[in-house]
Amino acid sequence: GAVVSQHPSWVICKSGTSVKIECRSLDFQATTMFWYRQFPKQSLMLMATSNEGSKATYEQGVEKDKFLINHASLTLSTLTVTSAHPEDSSFYICSVQGRSETQYFGPGTRLLVL
Amino acid sequence: SQQGEEDPQALSIQEGENATMNCSYKTSINNLQWYRQNSGRGLVHLILIRSNEREKHSGRLRVTLDTSKKSSSLLITASRAADTASYFCATDDQAGTALIFGKGTTLSVSS
Repeated sequence: GAVVSQHPSWVICKSGTSVKIECRSLDFQATTMFWYRQFPKQSLMLMATSNEGSKATYEQGVEKDKFLINHASLTLSTLTVTSAHPEDSSFYICSVQGRSETQYFGPGTRLLVL
Repeated sequence: SQQGEEDPQALSIQEGENATMNCSYKTSINNLQWYRQNSGRGLVHLILIRSNEREKHSGRLRVTLDTSKKSSSLLITASRAADTASYFCATDDQAGTALIFGKGTTLSVSS
């Protein structure tokens, strides 16, 4: 299966600052990557679908101007949380769809906004 | 949006016992997948069952799918302490690409 990495694994930032999270597909060229968010003791919620070379598709209720997604290459998608607020503190996970229907997940990035 | 419910929300068993988790979903699907998540970590894919399959095995895992009831179950036999984790079912969305996750079952296996 695909190997997916995320960087950073955790980040603490001040309210009002922006944070960029990288998702890399290490051994698979991914035209599509997915970004999920997981609050403590809750399930994963899809935020957006990242498409290489085109605009991301956002789920209802997810602000596209706040969560900027860039999928500039077949191996890298970035999620930038702009003007972060404490309520944005969460666990952000990306995934890559492999050749079958299986999705391979990164290890996640824990964001804490103070 | 979430597909549905998993039950139980939490399950505590002793090593060697079997653990059964159930998942229900709302819409028609192409396949259903089960994932495991250790605390604070990413997800590990366990097994995928297609809509035309009724049962699938992988090691100590057994998954069933009942599309008429829109439900699936995951059975872990002879559980080990290392099986302690949260388990999620996930179905494909209407576009057949992204995953929609259930709420998960937190399994605790004590030795």
